[in-house]
Amino acid sequence: SQTIHQWPATLVQPVGSPLSLECTVEGTSNPNLYWYRQAAGRGLQLLFYSVGIGQISSEVPQNLSASRPQDRQFILSSKKLLLSDSGFYLCAWRAGYSENYGYTFGSGTRLTVV
Amino acid sequence: AQSVTQLGSHVSVSEGALVLLRCNYSSSVPPYLFWYVQYPNQGLQLLLKYTTGATLVKGINGFEAEFKKSETSFHLTKPSAHMSDAAEYFCAVSEGSGYSTLTFGKGTMLLVSP
Repeated sequence: SQTIHQWPATLVQPVGSPLSLECTVEGTSNPNLYWYRQAAGRGLQLLFYSVGIGQISSEVPQNLSASRPQDRQFILSSKKLLLSDSGFYLCAWRAGYSENYGYTFGSGTRLTVV
Repeated sequence: AQSVTQLGSHVSVSEGALVLLRCNYSSSVPPYLFWYVQYPNQGLQLLLKYTTGATLVKGINGFEAEFKKSETSFHLTKPSAHMSDAAEYFCAVSEGSGYSTLTFGKGTMLLVSP
């Protein structure tokens, strides 16, 4: 069966420090991968998505970047964190090109920038 | 562009009462519609989805939703609320192509009192 792993679960980082969040999917190949950010009262905001290795689409210009170095690995990064980067980050995957599959989400990373 | 509006950031019901969470969408093509549930500090879990076919969709935990094209709505209902239903619920829309992404509403927090 397919599983999605996201780590770390919680992270407290000082302003100006770098960030690296990792997401991996098991049990499938060539998944579509997504990074969402959830801020209180603002729902889920799509940050990046990828339909293949090295293919990254950015939805919102910001202080973050994403990379997909391997088929089932998706990394969210920042060179210098801002206070406004605090939030709950969720990775998700979808199989194939049909919306019939829906999205499956990881358990999330709670990032607090201090 | 697709969008989702969830009426009411908070909905309170008594245990055993009807649950009704409202969702209206905007889409330029026939939509695919989803409801997700999120418990505190966890990822999102798919409750149910509408892609094609029957407009009344049944999901997990006794929830169901009806797609009404004329009203551009996809409201979530459950006949009898349980304490364990207390969570945040998100409605989402996709335009169904392989490269489309999910757009979420801002969420509705369901509070269940004994």
